[in-house]
Amino acid sequence: DIQMTQSPSSVSASVGDRVTITCRASQGISTWLAWYQQKPGKVPKLLIYSASSLQSGVPSRFSGSGSGTDFTLTISSLQPEDFATYYCQQANSFPLTFGGGTKVEIK
Amino acid sequence: QVQLQESGPGLVKPSETLSLTCTVSGGPIHGYHWSWIRQPPGKGLEWIGYIYYNGITNYNPSLKSRVTMSVDTSKNQFSLSLSSVSAADTAVYYCAKIGTGSNNWFDPWGQGTPVTVSS
Repeated sequence: DIQMTQSPSSVSASVGDRVTITCRASQGISTWLAWYQQKPGKVPKLLIYSASSLQSGVPSRFSGSGSGTDFTLTISSLQPEDFATYYCQQANSFPLTFGGGTKVEIK
Repeated sequence: QVQLQESGPGLVKPSETLSLTCTVSGGPIHGYHWSWIRQPPGKGLEWIGYIYYNGITNYNPSLKSRVTMSVDTSKNQFSLSLSSVSAADTAVYYCAKIGTGSNNWFDPWGQGTPVTVSS
C-alpha cells in the first residue's frame, strides 16, 4: 500500500494568511493526487485533482502543486470559510489511500 | 447533477453483518465505478472498495475478507455488506462516485450515514 503522510497535522492561522499543507507519498505517484476539504460534521469536498487541477466551483485562492512523492496545497489568503480539515488522497494504485489530515484552525 | 444517498441501520450488534445501500439519482449508475469510504469518529478516511456497474469489484485488502459489494442497475443502487463487525467498524459510511478512466478520486459523495456497532 502507498502511505500518505501529511504535515503539519494542525496549523493555526489568521484570516488573510497564506497557508501551505504538504503531503508525501511513500512511493512515486506521478500527479495522481487529490485534495479534499472537510468541515466539521460535513461531507468531504473535492478541491483539487491531478495534483494541480482546480475542481469546478472551487475558489482560485486554492492551488496544488507537486509530482512524484511531494505535494503541496496552498491557500493564498485564508478566508473564514476555509477553517476545516484537509486530506490528500493518492489515486495512483489500489488500495486508494488518504493522508491523516491537516486541521486548519483559527489563530 | 448526480446525487448519492446512503441508507441502512444505524446500529449493528457485534459479530453481525452491516448492510448499507447507496441510491444514485440525477444520472445513471451504468458506466461508472462506485465506492464506499468510512470515517471512524474523530479519525481520517479509509477506502473500503469499489464496484463497477457491471459488478466487477476491488476491495481494500485490509477488509477484503469481510466485504461484499453488489449493484442493482434497475434500481440505480449499489450496496455494501461488512460481516463480523466489531466496535472498530463504528464509523460514518460514505458512498461516492469515482472519476472516469484512471481518475480515481471521489466526487460527488453521499451525505454519509453513521453506523454504531454495539450490543
